[in-house]
Amino acid sequence: NAGVTQTPKFQVLKTGQSMTLQCAQDMNHEYMSWYRQDPGMGLRLIHYSVGAGITDQGEVPNGYNVSRSTTEDFPLRLLSAAPSQTSVYFCASVKNTEAFFGQGTRLTVV
Amino acid sequence: ILNVEQSPQSLHVQEGDSTNFTCSFPSSNFYALHWYRWETAKSPEALFVMTLNGDEKKKGRISATLNTKEGYSYLYIKGSQPEDSATYLCAFANYGGATNKLIFGTGTLLAVQP
Repeated sequence: NAGVTQTPKFQVLKTGQSMTLQCAQDMNHEYMSWYRQDPGMGLRLIHYSVGAGITDQGEVPNGYNVSRSTTEDFPLRLLSAAPSQTSVYFCASVKNTEAFFGQGTRLTVV
Repeated sequence: ILNVEQSPQSLHVQEGDSTNFTCSFPSSNFYALHWYRWETAKSPEALFVMTLNGDEKKKGRISATLNTKEGYSYLYIKGSQPEDSATYLCAFANYGGATNKLIFGTGTLLAVQP
């Protein structure tokens, strides 16, 4: 059972570089979301999608873009990385309010 | 912005102690309240989903209660064991937007000393 697959697990970027965090789920869930986790801040919602072709902003969307061309995939793009985006990122697929998380991506921007 | 608060922020107990944490959430337009267990270097895993006022859920030594009228939930661990050490997150969903949109609290970090 693959569930939610998130890649990469670790990444180091230089300030100004761009990258895409990949997230794929095989459970046919309509709802997917991206969170970032920072010390003392819990999980904060970046962007979410209620289905293919539909995305919306969460609590901390600045500096991130998303798209949802298929039900399975929900990539998160950093267009110009900043040190403030150093964090651990989690993708989640949600069904009936139960969240299934990817393995997390530890991103460091230097 | 909806606010979900958890207390305490961290807790250190001895093996065998019983403990409990609190999650506070907005009481209006309530849809569901979740508890997740999050071990270091792993992904959060669901413990309980509660939707009705007065709900009580139990899984082994861990149980949870829900009061939607006053906007709080308690998580109890009876006879804590070192393997219970983790961060416990609660997450709230309401009818105000997408009902699968989960707002997480900051978590309670539990450390159980053998």
